[in-house]
Amino acid sequence: EIVLTQSPGTLSLSPGEGATLSCRASQTVSSSYLAWYQQKSGQAPRLLIYGAFSRATGIPDRFSGSGSGTDFTLTISRLEPEDSAVYYCQHYGNLIWTFGQGTKVEIK
Amino acid sequence: EVQLLESGGGLVQPGGSLRLSCAASGFTFSSHGMSWVRQAPGKGLEWVSSISGGGGNTKYADSVKGRFTISRDNSKYTLDVQMNSLRVEDTAIYYCAKVAGNWGAGYFDLWGRGTLVTVSS
Repeated sequence: EIVLTQSPGTLSLSPGEGATLSCRASQTVSSSYLAWYQQKSGQAPRLLIYGAFSRATGIPDRFSGSGSGTDFTLTISRLEPEDSAVYYCQHYGNLIWTFGQGTKVEIK
Repeated sequence: EVQLLESGGGLVQPGGSLRLSCAASGFTFSSHGMSWVRQAPGKGLEWVSSISGGGGNTKYADSVKGRFTISRDNSKYTLDVQMNSLRVEDTAIYYCAKVAGNWGAGYFDLWGRGTLVTVSS
């Protein structure tokens, strides 16, 4: 079973700054099967990134995904107040879907 | 409009049963796998179950295997999950989600708003 560990637990940043969120897998993951979701308070999750790098429809280019093997990163540039949310990485593939525990991004 | 809308949540006693439904619209339902994902209060996301577009293939998380049954009616554009032998730890918001790509190896590109299930005596 693949375990995804996200860090840090919480990021507190100011508008305009950049955020780097990490997702580490317990074993090698194909880049094709790594996604990122955003969940704002009281709302359902929303797909941001799939296939480690590809932005979902309507997602601004301030959000970018990178990484390979066991280490993946979600980068949010030029933070806006609306980016305040919990971000989850997910591995999907071979009839298994696993989420990381989430990183909370707070905008000061 | 492309959307998913869950219903059927509520309060149930431990050992009881509940059936959740998800109504889909705006896309060709039978062409896509579907999943249930839950979120306990204040906790993260947990995948629960998935079903292929035709309904002939299913998969369950170990935590619900043997107690939950996922099904779909492609003529009615609905996804269901029958939850039996409910436990306190099943308390969560249950989301239905559309699977993009291969049903067994796809990400979730559309989510419903969720329905709350509370298991308590």
